[in-house]
Amino acid sequence: AQRVTQPEKLLSVFKGAPVELKCNYSYSGSPELFWYVQYSRQRLQLLLRHISRESIKGFTADLNKGETSFHLKKPFAQEEDSAMYYCALSSYYGQNFVFGPGTRLSVLP
Amino acid sequence: SQTIHQWPATLVQPVGSPLSLECTVEGTSNPNLYWYRQAAGRGLQLLFYSIGIDQISSEVPQNLSASRPQDRQFILSSKKLLLSDSGFYLCASHVSGANVLTFGAGSRLTVL
Repeated sequence: AQRVTQPEKLLSVFKGAPVELKCNYSYSGSPELFWYVQYSRQRLQLLLRHISRESIKGFTADLNKGETSFHLKKPFAQEEDSAMYYCALSSYYGQNFVFGPGTRLSVLP
Repeated sequence: SQTIHQWPATLVQPVGSPLSLECTVEGTSNPNLYWYRQAAGRGLQLLFYSIGIDQISSEVPQNLSASRPQDRQFILSSKKLLLSDSGFYLCASHVSGANVLTFGAGSRLTVL
């Protein structure tokens, strides 16, 4: 069965500290992995996807197929990074997207 | 780029009353459309998805139904609301080939 887990409901870090939001998945096949973000009073939006292999707003995520993980990392957190982060997966054709429970990141001044 | 409109933005309804939440998409054609419910600590639960007009798949048996009368219109309905239907409902669109979901602003439903 397809499943995405995010073990931390809430993660608090100080500004300038490194941050890692954990995501693990189970999927029979080769999924595509995503991170979506929802800032306060804004729509849920795509942050990055594993096939792009790019850094967005200083965030990166590497797909580790052996550990079935797709952790989101940023070396120096900023206060504007405070938001709700969802890890998600889909099949290659994207007919069914499965989301994790989300992690609320709070970056303290 | 596509834009998703959802209304109403907020709704307070008594138990047993009907429901209709509407979602329309601009800027694309033949999208896959989705209804999700977002609950704190539980992520996004997929309720329905549609690959075309009158083609609806239900992911979770429940008190809700969905319809797609036009290519870019997706409606979430209920004949009789339950307290447990309270929540934040998100409509999303997916365009074939892009494999990215675009979300609407959501509709917050409170059932009293």
